[in-house]
Amino acid sequence: GAVVSQHPSRVICKSGTSVKIECRSLDFQATTMFWYRQFPKKSLMLMATSNEGSKATYEQGVEKDKFLINHASLTLSTLTVTSAHPEDSSFYICSARDPLRGAFFGQGTRLTVV
Amino acid sequence: DAKTTQPTSMDCAEGRAANLPCNHSTISGNEYVYWYRQIHSQGPQYIIHGLKNNETNEMASLIITEDRKSSTLILPHATLRDTAVYYCIVRVEKAAGNKLTFGGGTRVLVKP
Repeated sequence: GAVVSQHPSRVICKSGTSVKIECRSLDFQATTMFWYRQFPKKSLMLMATSNEGSKATYEQGVEKDKFLINHASLTLSTLTVTSAHPEDSSFYICSARDPLRGAFFGQGTRLTVV
Repeated sequence: DAKTTQPTSMDCAEGRAANLPCNHSTISGNEYVYWYRQIHSQGPQYIIHGLKNNETNEMASLIITEDRKSSTLILPHATLRDTAVYYCIVRVEKAAGNKLTFGGGTRVLVKP
């Protein structure tokens, strides 16, 4: 069964609104989680590294004020897409690494901004 | 992390073995070879990983050349549900902070 759960799996929002995506590690604690974005027929692109209890680390070109990350507990990281626009429409995927078993990925969230 | 090169796409017949190559000529001595796959509209799924020796599990086998500059993922009896994008990644094995960097992967289509 899934060890990393992502919610929601699909969301449609209006342009200008904000959307929050949750990523939970179900049976292990994750001090670090990762957020990826994937456009159609493209590979996963790392957006940011979410660190429990401290600020996220963003990859070059990713706006930290646009993509707010909060990692308030050892099992939950959230990604908020603020003031969403149609170009933010994408497949967002989180990942968490269990030191014993390796990296696990969430099911992904398909965001459509209309 | 070392860069990997994979064919863009590959077709294979249902029931036959699928051999997926990966070149990683700049791999370092402490870097492992990982394979993940991504079925359409899902998150990536771990398949297998190895350092030097060949590895086998219930999903696949991993053959790593002696010089470790390339490897092959073998799906012994491909099924239609194995249609996916397969990613070969090399990375240092360490604790929770180590991120995965994805290349283009190989788009595998299993045909009846």
